Amino acid sequence: KQEVTQIPAALSVPEGENLVLNCSFTDSAIYNLQWFRQDPGKGLTSLLLIQSSQREQTSGRLNASLDKSSGRSTLYIAASQPGDSATYLCAVWDTGGFKTIFGAGTRLFVKA
Amino acid sequence: DGGITQSPKYLFRKEGQNVTLSCEQNLNHDAMYWYRQDPGQGLRLIYYSQIVNDFQKGDIAEGYSVSREKKESFPLTVTSAQKNPTAFYLCASTVTGGAINEQYFGPGTRLTVT
Repeated sequence: KQEVTQIPAALSVPEGENLVLNCSFTDSAIYNLQWFRQDPGKGLTSLLLIQSSQREQTSGRLNASLDKSSGRSTLYIAASQPGDSATYLCAVWDTGGFKTIFGAGTRLFVKA
Repeated sequence: DGGITQSPKYLFRKEGQNVTLSCEQNLNHDAMYWYRQDPGQGLRLIYYSQIVNDFQKGDIAEGYSVSREKKESFPLTVTSAQKNPTAFYLCASTVTGGAINEQYFGPGTRLTVT
């Protein structure tokens, strides 16, 4: 059964720092991996989607990498800003079923 | 603008009452999903539907029911059989038939049962 783990559960950094959020999954048989952002009391906003054949995707200050063989993905945030404060979730689309498996998220706080 | 709408944003009910949460999408997506989110936890799948008039149970379907009579709509009913219904409920959709399968989410409904 596919399991997705995100480390750390919470992270506090000063403004301007570069940071890395980690996501690991137990079964490498995935179609894609998606990173989301969630603000308190809101829905999820898709940040980046990496297909299983890709190694990384970039959008602005965000870069997501995927190492399917080792079951790992990282989300790199450059020059963090207070507006980046949110919970970041990763999710894998599992080939074993028609559904997405989510990690519990990393809660990020960027201090001004 | 295309997107997913959920209503209401906040819902309060007395224990023992059934309640229906609305989810509508105008993205022309085939598949729709209902998730439940509890504080500090990831999303857990309640039900999903790949096509009109068909749906499957997710990991925590007990105490919930759904219908999919139209492509655009996927309402979720929280029944009195659901033992701990207070939670944040999220609806999502995705296009099917390709390898991308990017999920899009609505703004959520916070249900409080007392």
